[in-house]
Amino acid sequence: GAGVSQSPRYKVAKRGQDVALRCDPISGHVSLFWYQQALGQGPEFLTYFQNEAQLDKSGLPSDRFFAERPEGSVSTLKIQRTQQEDSAVYLCASSSNRVAIYFGEGSWLTVV
Amino acid sequence: RKEVEQDPGPFNVPEGATVAFNCTYSNSASQSFFWYRQDCRKEPKLLMSVYSSGNEDGRFTAQLNRASQYISLLIRDSKLSDSATYLCVVSAFRDGGSQGNLIFGKGTKLSVKP
Repeated sequence: GAGVSQSPRYKVAKRGQDVALRCDPISGHVSLFWYQQALGQGPEFLTYFQNEAQLDKSGLPSDRFFAERPEGSVSTLKIQRTQQEDSAVYLCASSSNRVAIYFGEGSWLTVV
Repeated sequence: RKEVEQDPGPFNVPEGATVAFNCTYSNSASQSFFWYRQDCRKEPKLLMSVYSSGNEDGRFTAQLNRASQYISLLIRDSKLSDSATYLCVVSAFRDGGSQGNLIFGKGTKLSVKP
């Protein structure tokens, strides 16, 4: 497809389990972003890549969160030892010019 | 204090009404401003950018007041399909050069009734 693709769309994890969320950006988009959106809140910035370089990871809430984009295209957000407060929608977005960004439909994570 | 503040609503209006949303931001160094629309259980989508001179796109008008750090969105002749959450968004500049992240408000929920 032409848009940002994320998988899995829905994930239920047991507390303490590790999860990996995948993002396939729009082809040719240099910039890639991860956001976390809790229920009733706006998206909160997690991290930003330009090609394979992670330029800003200041929004990652703890060292249990790790993101990579090794070849400058697909990105993976990994959450280790999930906690209930990690339950949220994880939105990936990509951009060619850092002004207009395009979001994927999100990965809905529920930690039980 | 949140960096971007919005009235969460909900705003319940009849079809055809004019409705206005406001937003304030705290970082005076912010450079880019946007309104995004988010439908229930969907991703945010860019509605329009906001400029100091004001800009209009059909029934939608956005205004920016840099001195007051205030952004507005006006929707005229509301349609049922306008029902959604409207997110006020500003760009953030950080030391170190990253200009990639956007700061979102919590959103204002609009419900247009027949």
